[in-house]
Amino acid sequence: RKEVEQDPGPFNVPEGATVAFNCTYSNSASQSFFWYRQDCRKEPKLLMSVYSSGNEDGRFTAQLNRASQYISLLIRDSKLSDSATYLCVVNNLGSSASKIIFGSGTRLSIRP
Amino acid sequence: DAGVIQSPRHEVTEMGQEVTLRCKPISGHDYLFWYRQTMMRGLELLIYFNNNVPIDDSGMPEDRFSAKMPNASFSTLKIQPSEPRDSAVYFCASSLRERVTDTQYFGPGTRLTVL
Repeated sequence: RKEVEQDPGPFNVPEGATVAFNCTYSNSASQSFFWYRQDCRKEPKLLMSVYSSGNEDGRFTAQLNRASQYISLLIRDSKLSDSATYLCVVNNLGSSASKIIFGSGTRLSIRP
Repeated sequence: DAGVIQSPRHEVTEMGQEVTLRCKPISGHDYLFWYRQTMMRGLELLIYFNNNVPIDDSGMPEDRFSAKMPNASFSTLKIQPSEPRDSAVYFCASSLRERVTDTQYFGPGTRLTVL
């Protein structure tokens, strides 16, 4: 089992749709979680940190479920500009696990 | 702030040649990370520094790879000798103080092709 697994995608949805991604992680002691987005041939950029209480930023909502060891990202009212690859990140650096693992990414394509 | 700066943006070299990639982190950031991204393996951490000191280099693939950080504003990743399987995009990232798990800011990357 991979340490971090994401929905394989690609997701192809119409503009205005709601889309959700999940990401599972294997290390139950993991503490820090993020969603990054990466546009084609560009660097990853932070989209959101993921907190135990969940967090929302405009059309984006991230949630953490420790019991089931997954994080999720919900995008409401999707825009053409949301088309990108979304990377789930579990950062255990500084702990005994001492790893930062990037998921393989989920490709999202928003069509007009 | 200009963000993380990397150079060169593109590098094409022949097998056996030495390659040096450069990175300037965001001013005031204490952590610097080097990553490699390929289609097959995704994004992998190679090494990271805290206050110019290498903390974890377990991701460095082999002895052909070395990294240095002579001061707070400059780091290099060197491959000697280079091989075709080293072809990838190499990213440098930096993060602020306090916790190594803080948000990382990535540079634009260096696209390396080894022929």
